[in-house]
Amino acid sequence: EPEVTQTPSHQVTQMGQEVILRCVPISNHLYFYWYRQILGQKVEFLVSFYNNEISEKSEIFDDQFSVERPDGSNFTLKIRSTKLEDSAMYFCASSDGQGNQKLFFGSGTQLSVL
Amino acid sequence: SQKIEQNSEALNIQEGKTATLTCNYTNYSPAYLQWYRQDPGRGPVFLLLIRENEKEKRKERLKVTFDTTLKQSLFHITASQPADSATYLCALRVIYNQGGKLIFGQGTELSVKP
Repeated sequence: EPEVTQTPSHQVTQMGQEVILRCVPISNHLYFYWYRQILGQKVEFLVSFYNNEISEKSEIFDDQFSVERPDGSNFTLKIRSTKLEDSAMYFCASSDGQGNQKLFFGSGTQLSVL
Repeated sequence: SQKIEQNSEALNIQEGKTATLTCNYTNYSPAYLQWYRQDPGRGPVFLLLIRENEKEKRKERLKVTFDTTLKQSLFHITASQPADSATYLCALRVIYNQGGKLIFGQGTELSVKP
């Protein structure tokens, strides 16, 4: 079964550094998402992306965050200047946009900001 | 304000019994509701979707009901097994434009004892 792939699985960075989290969505999917989950808390929506542009973003997704689909397969989340409170598991998801809109999630990148 | 609430306390049941999980929401008019399973350190995995005009949906040992008047969904696992132990998330699809977004509840942890 096709799956969403995320790299790296773990990322440790110093506060103020830039990080790029990478995702390869399922190949025929058209809609892409980033979610995050702080330890012990719920899965929170960050941003949705369709047709090479952001279609929706949450209050969390401020100017420190950006997304990009640099080629036909990768989908990236960049955090420009990381803060301690950015420490979380970041999940990429994709959907084919047809009918049921079920999301397929990757295994996540655990980001630790020190 | 908009809220999605699931049983915050963990649910412990005996193998073979039926587990019933609750999802209540306020100030949403979802087109449909989805249930996901999340294992520790992993991304959510889609289980079932139920539309606003459907009362009940079944898939193998899983059953979901959706009452838009009560603004509630119930998720049942019959003949539960220890392998069903996980956190179960309900999610509402909020449609704004192409893609929209899924908003998740905080999840209910289910533990099935042999």
